Amino acid sequence: QITLKESGPTLVKPTQTLTLTCTFSGFSLSTSGVGVGWIRQPPGKALEWLALIYWNDDKRYSPSLKSRLTITKDTSKNQVVLTMTNMDPVDTATYYCAHRPAGTGALDYWGQGTLVTVSS
Amino acid sequence: DIQMTQSPSSLSASVGDRVTITCQASQDISNYLNWYQQKPGKAPKLLIYDASNLETGVPSRFSGSGSGTDFTFTISSLQPEDIATYYCQQYDNFYTFGQGTKLEIK
Repeated sequence: QITLKESGPTLVKPTQTLTLTCTFSGFSLSTSGVGVGWIRQPPGKALEWLALIYWNDDKRYSPSLKSRLTITKDTSKNQVVLTMTNMDPVDTATYYCAHRPAGTGALDYWGQGTLVTVSS
Repeated sequence: DIQMTQSPSSLSASVGDRVTITCQASQDISNYLNWYQQKPGKAPKLLIYDASNLETGVPSRFSGSGSGTDFTFTISSLQPEDIATYYCQQYDNFYTFGQGTKLEIK
């Protein structure tokens, strides 16, 4: 079955760069049409999509955050990495990664999420 | 950017009630619309994809309809375990989530 798990620091300081890793199993990111996305959710607020990487290394970013985000994949390790620069307290949120199957833009499997707090 | 306007933002209903949530896109998104359920402290769960397709394993009391700019999500008979926040999400142009509808039991 498909599983995903996020990992990374729980606390970062303002202006630092956040690096999160999504480690997955049960699918290959070299399969045509498949993607992995990142979504975040500030405490008590709505979901916000951040980025998506496809099997062919095509990448999509939220227009409002594009300048701060980089998404990469390591197919051999079954990992997707998201970096976000210049972190600010408003970036405090639970960060999720999710599987995008071929043929639809739905996100059908999600990781458990990891809470990242930005504070000095 | 495509904006998704979801309503209502909160809703109180009784067990057995029919519950309807709407989502309006700021431009035509065809049927590129999904619905998720999120319970407190948990990751979102996909319920409906491509506007009207029920995800495998999801109870048939959940349904979705619509195309273009106007979409509807319905629970035909509310159950206690349906208490959650529901989100719509478009993927016609990047991805955008609605602001969520918090569903409570009356």
